[in-house]
Amino acid sequence: AQKVTQAQTEISVVEKEDVTLDCVYETRDTTYYLFWYKQPPSGELVFLIRRNSFDEQNEISGRYSWNFQKSTSSFNFTITASQVVDSAVYFCALSEHYSSNTGKLIFGQGTTLQVKP
Amino acid sequence: ETGVTQTPRHLVMGMTNKKSLKCEQHLGHNAMYWYKQSAKKPLELMFVYSLEERVENNSVPSRFSPECPNSSHLFLHLHTLQPEDSALYLCASSQDAVTRSTDTQYFGPGTRLTVL
Repeated sequence: AQKVTQAQTEISVVEKEDVTLDCVYETRDTTYYLFWYKQPPSGELVFLIRRNSFDEQNEISGRYSWNFQKSTSSFNFTITASQVVDSAVYFCALSEHYSSNTGKLIFGQGTTLQVKP
Repeated sequence: ETGVTQTPRHLVMGMTNKKSLKCEQHLGHNAMYWYKQSAKKPLELMFVYSLEERVENNSVPSRFSPECPNSSHLFLHLHTLQPEDSALYLCASSQDAVTRSTDTQYFGPGTRLTVL
């Protein structure tokens, strides 16, 4: 069965610290996509990244980086030099590429990140 | 307007009221979604529409009634709700839910619903 686990419920760091948010997934599909979304207090889920199961290269975008490891079914997200504006709930999600899938995204429980000044 | 918009942003209703949530996407997408986000629970997919046709109904009670008059607009009609239906209701859109089911979904800001 498909499942996404974000074991860290809440993380609190001081500004400029690096922080890693963990995501572990389960799927039987060989072709799937992984996502990270950010949900600030305003409520909107902001898309951060989409990665397919055949691309294990790490990705960096500014202060954000993602480490995808199929061997451990993990897709972790690191924020370097965190800022107060990074405070939000972060969701990891999985979408499987099977014929009857109609856009179903499986979300983790989310990790609340608080960055203190 | 850009992206995905939702109105109203906040709604308080009694259990006997009838109200509607509106979602509009300005991304040229063909698929639209309703999600429910309750406290302490993962996001739950409620409905999926592709080219105005409902392709997914995730065992949602009949007191929630979706409507998709065209690929840019999505409504969620509410009637005789229960207090446990209080939640953030999020709308999303993507290029296509059938032929490109793993495409990125873009979300609106949500409607915070409180049922008294």
